[in-house]
Parts: sequence; C-alpha cells; structure tokens
Amino acid sequence: NAGVTQTPKFQVLKTGQSMTLQCAQDMNHNSMYWYRQDPGMGLRLIYYSASEGTTDKGEVPNGYNVSRLNKREFSLRLESAAPSQTSVYFCASSAAWNSPLHFGNGTRLTVT
Amino acid sequence: RKEVEQDPGPFNVPEGATVAFNCTYSNSASQSFFWYRQDCRKEPKLLMSVYSSGNEDGRFTAQLNRASQYISLLIRDSKLSDSATYLCVVNPISSGSARQLTFGSGTQLTVLP
Repeated sequence: NAGVTQTPKFQVLKTGQSMTLQCAQDMNHNSMYWYRQDPGMGLRLIYYSASEGTTDKGEVPNGYNVSRLNKREFSLRLESAAPSQTSVYFCASSAAWNSPLHFGNGTRLTVT
Repeated sequence: RKEVEQDPGPFNVPEGATVAFNCTYSNSASQSFFWYRQDCRKEPKLLMSVYSSGNEDGRFTAQLNRASQYISLLIRDSKLSDSATYLCVVNPISSGSARQLTFGSGTQLTVLP
C-alpha cells in the first residue's frame, strides 16, 4: 500500500512563479489536508477537504488554493510564490474527523 | 497561552533510561488526543492514540489528565531508535472535521549510547 503519495519531493521556485503540489491517497479516506511545517512553529493547517467536493480554509490559507479533484486526490497551488512560503509541505488524510492522520513524505519548497 | 504546549527539549537520555514528556492543552472541551513521532526530515507518524483510561503499547504508555489538562507519554527502556521528535496532537471539539486538530511544536529526544 502506497498510503499518501506527494509530488514533488523537492522544488525551488523564484518569487512570483507558480506551482502545484500533488497529493493522492489510496486508503479510501474521506478527509484530506495540507499542512506546512516551519522550525519552531509546528504543523499549521493550510486547507482541508472534509469530503469529496468540499474544501475549507485552515489556519494559514493566504497565498494558496486547493482542488479536491476526486476522492483520492487533493492538490495545493501557489499562484505567485513568495519567500515566506519556503517551508516543508505535508499532505495528510484521515478516515473521519477524529481519526488519526496519515501523512505523505513531504515536499521541501524553497522560494528565492 | 498556546492551545497546545510542549517542552521543546532537547531531552538527552542514556540508553535504557525512562523518559516522560508532558503536553498541556488550553481547551477543556478537547476530545481526541494523539502522540506522533517525527524523525528528522521525515513525515509525522502516529505513535499512539490517548484514551481517557490511559493506554500502553509495549514500552510506551500514554496518559490523559483532564483535570489538569495535560497528556503524557512515558517511554521505558529507551532505545537508540527512539531518538526523534514527539508531537502532541489535540482535537478540541467533539464533532466536525479535523480542521481543529492542533499540533504541539514537538519535544526532541536523543537517546545516547
């Protein structure tokens, strides 16, 4: 079982460039999430999708958009990257609201 | 006050030692609690869910103290492979989506030979 798969693993962008982070899960989970992790800040929720067809903002949504393409896939888009978006991004999924999260391997993004 | 607070450490302990971490939470309505483990430059992985009655999994014991609003993780007979950052996770509401899941910043543990 692949679990949660994220691509790419690494990315370097220049300020103002755009990119999409891809995430797919094969566990038939209803909910999917995008987090960012910065030193000393812990994991912060960017956006989440409680079920297919719905998306909602998390704690730090500014500068990002998401698409829940189907039950398996949840993508995160940076329209105009900024240095403040340099971070490690994790996609996660869960079966239900109080179920544990399963994380992907992460994407290390640097914006110069 | 942060919603979830952990002592960042680092905790440096010799192999075989017993070590305990606490995590305090501010929302008394919190319902779900978890401990995750995160290795350097890797994704967090679930270590244990924390139940009201406490639970044990091998060398690991998790406890919940609702009166004082903290959860704890006890590791007995520490192994070198236990070296990692331990994240406390709290869901402060009784229903709805996991958007309310709040992560602590983590406690760093290094087990020394």
